[in-house]
Amino acid sequence: GDSVTQMEGPVTLSEEAFLTINCTYTATGYPSLFWYVQYPGEGLQLLLKATKADDKGSNKGFEATYRKETTSFHLEKGSVQVSDSAVYFCALRGGSNFGNEKLTFGTGTRLTIIP
Amino acid sequence: SAVISQKPSRDICQRGTSLTIQCQVDSQVTMMFWYRQQPGQSLTLIATANQGSEATYESGFVIDKFPISRPNLTFSTLTVSNMSPEDSSIYLCSVDGVFSTEAFFGQGTRLTVV
Repeated sequence: GDSVTQMEGPVTLSEEAFLTINCTYTATGYPSLFWYVQYPGEGLQLLLKATKADDKGSNKGFEATYRKETTSFHLEKGSVQVSDSAVYFCALRGGSNFGNEKLTFGTGTRLTIIP
Repeated sequence: SAVISQKPSRDICQRGTSLTIQCQVDSQVTMMFWYRQQPGQSLTLIATANQGSEATYESGFVIDKFPISRPNLTFSTLTVSNMSPEDSSIYLCSVDGVFSTEAFFGQGTRLTVV
């Protein structure tokens, strides 16, 4: 079945550091890929997404590129801020049918940014 | 987008009791999804709820333990029955965007069983 392997955490960085959180996946067909963020005490919010190979999703300074050849969707940000401290989840959804399919999540990576 | 209201936001319950969690969406949706997030863990799908039919449960989850109702296109409930401390988790409701692969989540219900 589908699976997502995500970089183990926790990750602690200084403010303005470069961030990479690795994510690789196993899936049949052509899945859509997502990064969700969970701030302390809150539900999940979509951070960015990509629906086909070579697509780049971006939002709030974060980027991730759908790499089918390496089955990866690594999350990057050039300069992190304290407000980026949260748990980040990589996820996929099957591409054979549009919508109404379950999301498969990675284990989550807790990111802490220190001033 | 979809706005999801989930109640209660948190609760502390005695073992052996049941808790019903409500999920209200601001638009009509075909399917609603219920997830569990155990402490420090990722999200696991419990079941998919379709209006007018029985919910479809994932492996490891059964209707007797997690009965679900879906009376209309904007509302669903999940009951956690005969609770034990192992049921302490965050339970999240989710729906899809219209003609979109994006999923929207409620704020979650943080359940502690003592």
